[in-house]
Amino acid sequence: KQEVTQIPAALSVPEGENLVLNCSFTDSAIYNLQWFRQDPGKGLTSLLLIQSSQREQTSGRLNASLDKSSGRSTLYIAASQPGDSATYLCAVPFDKLIFGTGTRLQVFP
Amino acid sequence: EPEVTQTPSHQVTQMGQEVILRCVPISNHLYFYWYRQILGQKVEFLVSFYNNEISEKSEIFDDQFSVERPDGSNFTLKIRSTKLEDSAMYFCANHAGISTEAFFGQGTRLTVV
Repeated sequence: KQEVTQIPAALSVPEGENLVLNCSFTDSAIYNLQWFRQDPGKGLTSLLLIQSSQREQTSGRLNASLDKSSGRSTLYIAASQPGDSATYLCAVPFDKLIFGTGTRLQVFP
Repeated sequence: EPEVTQTPSHQVTQMGQEVILRCVPISNHLYFYWYRQILGQKVEFLVSFYNNEISEKSEIFDDQFSVERPDGSNFTLKIRSTKLEDSAMYFCANHAGISTEAFFGQGTRLTVV
C-alpha cells in the first residue's frame, strides 16, 4: 500500500529565503510525482510533474527533484515571497493519486 | 492551460437531503476522478471513471454516493442522503493518460447542517 508523507508539516520563513519541502513515498514503483499548491479554502493548482525517468524538473523559482530508489522528492523554492504562502502537496499515482498531508508554508515580509 | 470546472463553488444543505455536484472535465482527457478533503485532513480518493464506467471505488464511496455522466461529457457526484460527516471540499480531476499531469477543479465546498 502506497503511503505518502511530507515534512515539515508547517514552515514559517522570512521573505527571500530559499527553502526545501520534503515528500516521501513507500512504494518506488511510480510513474511520476506531482506537486500542487493549495491556497486556503481553494482548489489544487498543479506546480510541477516529474516523471519517474527524470531526476529534476524546473518551473521558474521552483525546482523538484525525484529519487525513486530512496522514495523521496524535494521541492526547492528559491527566493521565497509572501505570495508563496500556501499549502504544498505532493501526490503519486497508484491508479488514483495518493496525497501527502502537505506542508503549510508562511513567508513573512 | 486546460481547465476543469466545478459547480457550485459552495453548497449548504440540511442533513438527509440529496446533493448533486457537477464537473466539466477537459475534453479527451479519459481518466476522471472525484476526491474529497475534510477540513484539515488529506485529500482522499472517492471514485475513478474510465471508458464510461467506474474503474475503482474507495471505502468512502458507499451506496449513498453515485457518479453519473448525464450528457455523455460532464460528470455529477450525487450524495443521496447527506450526513454531517459529508461536509468537505469535493474535487474532480482528470488527466489524459496514466502518467500525465492531473488537473483539478476549484472544488465544491459542501456544508451539511
